[in-house]
Amino acid sequence: QSALTQPPSVSGSPGQSVSISCTGTSSDVGSYNRVSWYQQSPGTAPKLIIYRVTNRPSGVPDRFSGSKSGNTASLTISGLQAEDEADYYCSSYTSRTTSRVFGGGTKLTVL
Amino acid sequence: EVQLVESGGGLVQPGGSLRLSCEASGFTFSNYNMNWVRQAPGKGLEWLSHISSSSSNIYYADSVKGRFIISRDDAKSSFYLQMNSLRAEDTAVYFCARDADDFWSGYFDSWGQGTLVTVSS
Repeated sequence: QSALTQPPSVSGSPGQSVSISCTGTSSDVGSYNRVSWYQQSPGTAPKLIIYRVTNRPSGVPDRFSGSKSGNTASLTISGLQAEDEADYYCSSYTSRTTSRVFGGGTKLTVL
Repeated sequence: EVQLVESGGGLVQPGGSLRLSCEASGFTFSNYNMNWVRQAPGKGLEWLSHISSSSSNIYYADSVKGRFIISRDDAKSSFYLQMNSLRAEDTAVYFCARDADDFWSGYFDSWGQGTLVTVSS
């Protein structure tokens, strides 16, 4: 069982928007603006797409955005494209175990 | 261009040991904190260990504490994961990842391609 909870799967049609939630506790997501998101296509390494809740690295399209409310962070992908189909993971520092933790991952299917 | 290249994976028997290496290029390695992350077949990502730029701060996940040892050699722009007392559940692809900040604020901004470790008799 992962420390951060994500839905196993989400789906959307091209052009639509989807959101992926990442629920933690006051020991991690709720206390720190240190949530990051990663995109992983099959057989490849993860790629950073959001850091410190809302920031995008250079080269990441502005269709990807992040937010946080209380103990839940969210990744929103607008204007879905076929190339967005991948697994998405959130991550945070947690003071509960003095460690870094990931969510269980969410598989995004573009219909 | 930042590059991280893992090596050292392979097949090992339960109870055995293996040493993974990650060689970095394209940035000043000695200035960065580094991590190991793994992914079991068909499963999610699991953070394993962090080593600070000066090696003064080292952290481990509970699942590997006491069995795995992280270290670095700045002269070789490399860091390592010594894995002892390996179990079947350690079977995974092991990634090295660069930290963009300190342990408490960091995020993994560059990743290697991964090396597969299989623990089986």
